[in-house]
Amino acid sequence: GAGVSQTPSNKVTEKGKYVELRCDPISGHTALYWYRQSLGQGPEFLIYFQGTGAADDSGLPNDRFFAVRPEGSVSTLKIQRTERGDSAVYLCASSLIRADPDTQYFGPGTRLTVL
Amino acid sequence: AQSVSQHNHHVILSEAASLELGCNYSYGGTVNLFWYVQYPGQHLQLLLKYFSGDPLVKGIKGFEAEFIKSKFSFNLRKPSVQWSDTAEYFCATLADRDDKIIFGKGTRLHILP
Repeated sequence: GAGVSQTPSNKVTEKGKYVELRCDPISGHTALYWYRQSLGQGPEFLIYFQGTGAADDSGLPNDRFFAVRPEGSVSTLKIQRTERGDSAVYLCASSLIRADPDTQYFGPGTRLTVL
Repeated sequence: AQSVSQHNHHVILSEAASLELGCNYSYGGTVNLFWYVQYPGQHLQLLLKYFSGDPLVKGIKGFEAEFIKSKFSFNLRKPSVQWSDTAEYFCATLADRDDKIIFGKGTRLHILP
């Protein structure tokens, strides 16, 4: 496809469970970003990859959150021991050039609900 | 820390009304400012951006924004709104020295037909 895709589009889980959220960036985009958008808030930065490495993970709220991008393309955001406060829309974006926001293309997001 | 603040959380207008959505930013060195829009059920997309040069920036769909340095503002405007402009609008800035986009809380715009 032409755009950033994210799966699943919706995820409902129980408190304490583990979840994985997937992002497929635009082909050839080396930069990949994860954001989290809670209800009534704007998106908040979580982590940024340049290639396979996490160049900036300062936005991850705690050590329950982890993200990987082993081959420099698809990325997975992993949340352990989910809590109700983790409920949000998780957005992924990719860009061709690092920190060039006019080429940051956003995916549709994964809506995570923790019961 | 750098931030942006949006004055209105929810705006309701009739079609053909003029629009101005407020945005103020905290100074962080280099100024990079954006307005993003999210139409119902769609992806977040860039409306317009300001990096330097002409402080009046024109974007897609008839939107424009004016960078006023003395007021730390970057308000979004449109002279005549349409029902299809119903969406959520986010002001944003690029964090100085790194790669994060910092978003405001958003303004939900509802246009009455």
